[in-house]
Amino acid sequence: EDKVVQSPLSLVVHEGDTVTLNCSYEVTNFRSLLWYKQEKKAPTFLFMLTSSGIEKKSGRLSSILDKKELFSILNITATQTGDSAVYLCAVGGSGNTPLVFGKGTRLSVIA
Amino acid sequence: GAVVSQHPSWVICKSGTSVKIECRSLDFQATTMFWYRQFPKQSLMLMATSNEGSKATYEQGVEKDKFLINHASLTLSTLTVTSAHPEDSSFYICSARGVAGTYSPLHFGNGTRLTVT
Repeated sequence: EDKVVQSPLSLVVHEGDTVTLNCSYEVTNFRSLLWYKQEKKAPTFLFMLTSSGIEKKSGRLSSILDKKELFSILNITATQTGDSAVYLCAVGGSGNTPLVFGKGTRLSVIA
Repeated sequence: GAVVSQHPSWVICKSGTSVKIECRSLDFQATTMFWYRQFPKQSLMLMATSNEGSKATYEQGVEKDKFLINHASLTLSTLTVTSAHPEDSSFYICSARGVAGTYSPLHFGNGTRLTVT
């Protein structure tokens, strides 16, 4: 059975801190790993990773995939209160199979 | 970028009635859409995969006669919750993948919060 495990489940940090969110997976015929940010409504897309060792970066957020060790990390530097959200990791297999989601990491950034 | 529109964003209905939720891909064609359900403080649980022009594929434990899915066109999938009960109250989210298939990220609608009284 395909599985995605995120850690920690929740995290509280102060503004300006750097955080690292973890995602490990077991999936048949891995194709891609995706990170989403979910605030009050539906998830918004952050990154899609398909190759090992290539960092994807967007502003203060970055992510990297290790296909040998079957995990990914999402880094957020200089956190702001607007970064408070649930961050979801999802993994996709071959064909048009649906994504399998982890339980998410609830990040709270306090001023 | 790809936009998925979901309607309504929230609905309150009485027990025993049916509710239809629409999911549209606005600027791309989606042969496959996915319906998820999310309970408070939990992750997204896949309910079914909706395929244009054919029957939906339901996940184990999801009643296909209760959650009717219709994907009649390349831009529209609907989920009808039939004979709704309070335990069906949840956040329902649809999603679709862009034309590049598995190498496109999944884009989500804004979700529908259903409350059954």
